[in-house]
Amino acid sequence: DAKTTQPPSMDCAEGRAANLPCNHSTISGNEYVYWYRQIHSQGPQYIIHGLKNNETNEMASLIITEDRKSSTLILPHATLRDTAVYYCILSTDSWGKLQFGAGTQVVVTP
Amino acid sequence: DTAVSQTPKYLVTQMGNDKSIKCEQNLGHDTMYWYKQDSKKFLKIMFSYNNKELIINETVPNRFSPKSPDKAHLNLHINSLELGDSAVYFCASSFSTGEQYFGPGTRLTVT
Repeated sequence: DAKTTQPPSMDCAEGRAANLPCNHSTISGNEYVYWYRQIHSQGPQYIIHGLKNNETNEMASLIITEDRKSSTLILPHATLRDTAVYYCILSTDSWGKLQFGAGTQVVVTP
Repeated sequence: DTAVSQTPKYLVTQMGNDKSIKCEQNLGHDTMYWYKQDSKKFLKIMFSYNNKELIINETVPNRFSPKSPDKAHLNLHINSLELGDSAVYFCASSFSTGEQYFGPGTRLTVT
């Protein structure tokens, strides 16, 4: 059972920032927050992960609240190619057991 | 320069048959995985191998048997295929800690 809660869907205008929320109120101290996405008919793609601090890479930024009970994935300038299902997953980062939930279907519109 | 590859991409077979799906990674990872994505689009881990040793074995019928001949390969053999085995199967790899890289998937259809 997934231990995260995400909205089932959200729309975003092309060129705007997309902010994807995730609740994980039962997160343990050794659990990382991982984000993956799955573009239609493709394998999931790793985006970013973090433990406590905010993280940024070339794809996105991850903001984790101080109590670690929620996080937000930010796609700074959404493009049509960012249309995908986005998954927020908790993992102890040991042996990499990922439990995927239903994710958020993000549709980027022109 | 494909990182994680799977063969075949599509597999259509009849009930009762035995089939295999192959996975190879050229990333130098020490851990490989098999996931199943059913018609409802939920992705579930099936198996994980670290350095050729089975470390995750979820509740999967024993008709499914993974085999890892070396660290770069993890194959999935399925005996006595059933209609419910129809799904997309994804292979993935990673270092024992860290992000996973997924293959393109194998769409299995059992008729």
